[in-house]
Amino acid sequence: GAGVSQTPSNKVTEKGKYVELRCDPISGHTALYWYRQSLGQGPEFLIYFQGTGAADDSGLPNDRFFAVRPEGSVSTLKIQRTERGDSAVYLCASSPRGGITEAFFGQGTRLTVV
Amino acid sequence: DQQVKQNSPSLSVQEGRISILNCDYTNSMFDYFLWYKKYPAEGPTFLISISSIKDKNEDGRFTVFLNKSAKHLSLHIVPSQPGDSAVYFCAASESGATNKLIFGTGTLLAVQP
Repeated sequence: GAGVSQTPSNKVTEKGKYVELRCDPISGHTALYWYRQSLGQGPEFLIYFQGTGAADDSGLPNDRFFAVRPEGSVSTLKIQRTERGDSAVYLCASSPRGGITEAFFGQGTRLTVV
Repeated sequence: DQQVKQNSPSLSVQEGRISILNCDYTNSMFDYFLWYKKYPAEGPTFLISISSIKDKNEDGRFTVFLNKSAKHLSLHIVPSQPGDSAVYFCAASESGATNKLIFGTGTLLAVQP
């Protein structure tokens, strides 16, 4: 498809386990964003990539969270030692140059930590 | 603390009437404001934005008003259509951090046919 693709769409994991969430941006988009949306809340900024580098990672809540984008396209959000409070919908977006108003969001990965 | 607040969790209007969604913010460093629309099981979609140097921006049926002194913005949809039924999020960013959006909690709009 032509949109932002996120896999898996749903992930259930046990507390303490490690998870990886994948984002395939729109081809050619240089900017990529990760947000997470907890129940009853608006999306919360996690990290913004421009190309391969993290231009702003100030939203990552702690060192259990890490994201990479090694070739400037696909990005993986990695969460170590998951906690129940990590349960949320993780949203990825990409844009052609970096303007958030041009960004297209994927449908998200619903992570449930039990 | 919630820097962007949408105090109405839901709003119901009749088709053809005006929908007014409200948003308040506390951070005086915010200088760019956006509205997003979200359907169930989809990601948010950008709708309209406004810079702090303006007090109004219009795009078709959608108009955003900004009152900086009151730290308040509103989205007007006129006329409302059933397809407008969705969750609407207000978001804001600071100068120099325009890609880091701070979102409100959203307002669920239901447009009744």
